Amino acid sequence: DAGVIQSPRHEVTEMGQEVTLRCKPISGHNSLFWYRQTMMRGLELLIYFNNNVPIDDSGMPEDRFSAKMPNASFSTLKIQPSEPRDSAVYFCASRLGTAYGYTFGSGTRLTVV
Amino acid sequence: QKEVEQNSGPLSVPEGAIASLNCTYSDRVSQSFFWYRQYSGKSPELIMSIYSNGDKEDGRFTAQLNKASQYVSLLIRDSQPSDSATYLCAVYNSGGSNYKLTFGKGTLLTVNP
Repeated sequence: DAGVIQSPRHEVTEMGQEVTLRCKPISGHNSLFWYRQTMMRGLELLIYFNNNVPIDDSGMPEDRFSAKMPNASFSTLKIQPSEPRDSAVYFCASRLGTAYGYTFGSGTRLTVV
Repeated sequence: QKEVEQNSGPLSVPEGAIASLNCTYSDRVSQSFFWYRQYSGKSPELIMSIYSNGDKEDGRFTAQLNKASQYVSLLIRDSQPSDSATYLCAVYNSGGSNYKLTFGKGTLLTVNP
């Protein structure tokens, strides 16, 4: 299995631009999570999908952030417009069931200048 | 707010020593506990899971759980320089069907040759 696949690995963009991060979960995993990691705040859960349905988006910082999961093998996290304070590493993770831990993707390092 | 607390470190141990990493959690009904290892610039990697009170051993790693004290720990025996990383404690918070991991901010471990 190829694991959780995220793209791009690095993204540098200017303030105000739209940014789209992509994730392909492990085949057969029914839950998908988007996390953001910074030195100050650690790993923060942004949104959680179960069977492609958003279950908990309470961690999405504001309306500039949106996430979709159109099918079991693909999810996107979009930031529009981006701001410098959005600079962080964004991780996607998937899970087989509630008895299991998550498997993380390699992450996308986002820098907004 | 359900929380997971870890000492940020850094925890420095000599090669060959036992490294002890600690974690406390606030949600009394938590049932599943995980330890992740994160090398600098990499994604978190699941190394141990524990569900019952007591000890669970896997190679040089031992996870210990005490639900009465809301405490989980990770012991690394015969520490190696390759064990130098940030160790994240993660706890499942139960909220109806909303099973999601809450992570501590991690403890940085340095093993000195």
